[in-house]
Amino acid sequence: EDQVTQSPEALRLQEGESSSLNCSYTVSGLRGLFWYRQDPGKGPEFLFTLYSAGEEKEKERLKATLTKKESFLHITAPKPEDSATYLCAVQEYSGGGADGLTFGKGTHLIIQP
Amino acid sequence: NAGVTQTPKFQVLKTGQSMTLQCAQDMNHEYMSWYRQDPGMGLRLIHYSVGAGITDQGEVPNGYNVSRSTTEDFPLRLLSAAPSQTSVYFCASSLTGGRLDPYNSPLHFGNGTRLTVT
Repeated sequence: EDQVTQSPEALRLQEGESSSLNCSYTVSGLRGLFWYRQDPGKGPEFLFTLYSAGEEKEKERLKATLTKKESFLHITAPKPEDSATYLCAVQEYSGGGADGLTFGKGTHLIIQP
Repeated sequence: NAGVTQTPKFQVLKTGQSMTLQCAQDMNHEYMSWYRQDPGMGLRLIHYSVGAGITDQGEVPNGYNVSRSTTEDFPLRLLSAAPSQTSVYFCASSLTGGRLDPYNSPLHFGNGTRLTVT
């Protein structure tokens, strides 16, 4: 059973059409949740770290929020340059990957002009 | 500021060949790691290092070796390439890292090596 599940797998939006990406997790002790952006042929690029339920962080058209079971990446009035795959990763106190970090499979976002 | 540099960008190997994927970072990061990324799967950890002289296995270490003789470099060696090792490989580093890291330092990734094994 996946510990980090991202939905939807793929999302196509029109330019300016706001939406949200979801990252749900099942871990015993969350140390931190990370969001990354990955462009085709590139490595993931760090966006945000969230630590506790209720926390929010913003960067340009992106806002990340965190609850006890999931995180949302809200995209407001997106532009074509926001097209990318967005990855979520969870850092745990115990469990998870060998180093405590587990990545989701990502959401592939396409913004059409 | 180069960040994390991976070479080569592309590589084709025949089954049974060996090779080394290079990774170097210029940010004085203590933590370095190797991931593979396959279609439909999340990033999977191969090996990681919390500092020079220290390495440990990730989730999918079989068929790969690493060493960390300096803070800057963390090469990944494929001992005898198999078609199942066809993948995109990413090297990542962070100021600190690992399960005991109290700072939750984010990872900085290189741009990957696309490896095909025939």
